[in-house]
Amino acid sequence: GAGVSQSPRYKVAKRGQDVALRCDPISGHVSLFWYQQALGQGPEFLTYFQNEAQLDKSGLPSDRFFAERPEGSVSTLKIQRTQQEDSAVYLCASSRSSGGYEQYFGPGTRLTVT
Amino acid sequence: EDQVTQSPEALRLQEGESSSLNCSYTVSGLRGLFWYRQDPGKGPEFLFTLYSAGEEKEKERLKATLTKKESFLHITAPKPEDSATYLCAVQDGTSGSRLTFGEGTQLTVNP
Repeated sequence: GAGVSQSPRYKVAKRGQDVALRCDPISGHVSLFWYQQALGQGPEFLTYFQNEAQLDKSGLPSDRFFAERPEGSVSTLKIQRTQQEDSAVYLCASSRSSGGYEQYFGPGTRLTVT
Repeated sequence: EDQVTQSPEALRLQEGESSSLNCSYTVSGLRGLFWYRQDPGKGPEFLFTLYSAGEEKEKERLKATLTKKESFLHITAPKPEDSATYLCAVQDGTSGSRLTFGEGTQLTVNP
């Protein structure tokens, strides 16, 4: 079946621009996660949804980062007024439910802020 | 705060030369330990979940084991196509469903 998809795959933004990154989870998966991965590092947690409810946003690095999942399926991660330190790969993952279930990752969006 | 440390950072093997990757962890209450494989330019690919000390899981040339403090990923007779970065992650019972990852082990298998 179809896996997690993300778009765009690559995004170049000028410092100060707003960007929106999209995630389409595996159909029927209740839980959705966003992670940020710097070059040569492991992914770091940003935020988590169960259906449309955002249950944990403690990993969002600043109030410039905002995520939503209004209908409990597709999710969007928005970054306002991008800064160079926002350059990274943004990974989306989904799982059947919370607690102990494996998370399946999309290919990621590579964001470069110039 | 959960902590995951992987070693070595990088490992070079000859085809057929078996070895092990280590993942040491500190967590308040382990809900699950996960192994992923990541190829360049791709997202992590799920390999295994281990839930309790003593548990083992196998898939082709890979075998994952778990103790109360660490996990090992054993690679038997590796092939060049096993070259990738292997990531370990933990999920604990007190910080919700997030995964805390280590920095990974970059494995290169030479033919």
